[in-house]
Amino acid sequence: EAGVAQSPRYKIIEKRQSVAFWCNPISGHATLYWYQQILGQGPKLLIQFQNNGVVDDSQLPKDRFSAERLKGVDSTLKIQPAKLEDSAVYLCASSLVPEGELFFGEGSRLTVL
Amino acid sequence: SQKIEQNSEALNIQEGKTATLTCNYTNYSPAYLQWYRQDPGRGPVFLLLIRENEKEKRKERLKVTFDTTLKQSLFHITASQPADSATYLCALDMSGSARQLTFGSGTQLTVLP
Repeated sequence: EAGVAQSPRYKIIEKRQSVAFWCNPISGHATLYWYQQILGQGPKLLIQFQNNGVVDDSQLPKDRFSAERLKGVDSTLKIQPAKLEDSAVYLCASSLVPEGELFFGEGSRLTVL
Repeated sequence: SQKIEQNSEALNIQEGKTATLTCNYTNYSPAYLQWYRQDPGRGPVFLLLIRENEKEKRKERLKVTFDTTLKQSLFHITASQPADSATYLCALDMSGSARQLTFGSGTQLTVLP
């Protein structure tokens, strides 16, 4: 069974530029999450989707971050404009049911200069 | 506010010994708690889930306990091996209805040969 796919693995941009990350969850997983993990910290939930609807985006900085889940499958996370403090690994995860185990992708490492 | 604390940022033990990692939480009583393993440059990998009505869960050399009175979970690795070296994250459902996982900052375990 294929795992959660993310791209790109690495991205370096300058502050005020924009960036987009893509995630393809495990087939059949209705719940999709985007987490931000800053070096030395645990993952922090940014947004949770159930199918193509947003369950919670209370920790998403909506002035610069946006996310969508197309047709309840793939998802993109966009940052525009990026700030230095956005440097982190952006992890996508999916689960079969909301209270089930999470399957994570390898993450997209963002460096903002 | 809700808080999750994992013991000491780093834990070093000798091969063959039992590693014990601690996860404490405040205020909220989660319906379940999960433990994940994270290797450098990789996404977290699910290990075990324990529910509030379960005192203990085992999987091979892993054992998790859940004390809702103490608001604490203990994660044990028996007969530890150098390959067990990784960061271990605990995660709790802190949301109640939305089934969102909040992660602790993790404990970095090093098993010395």
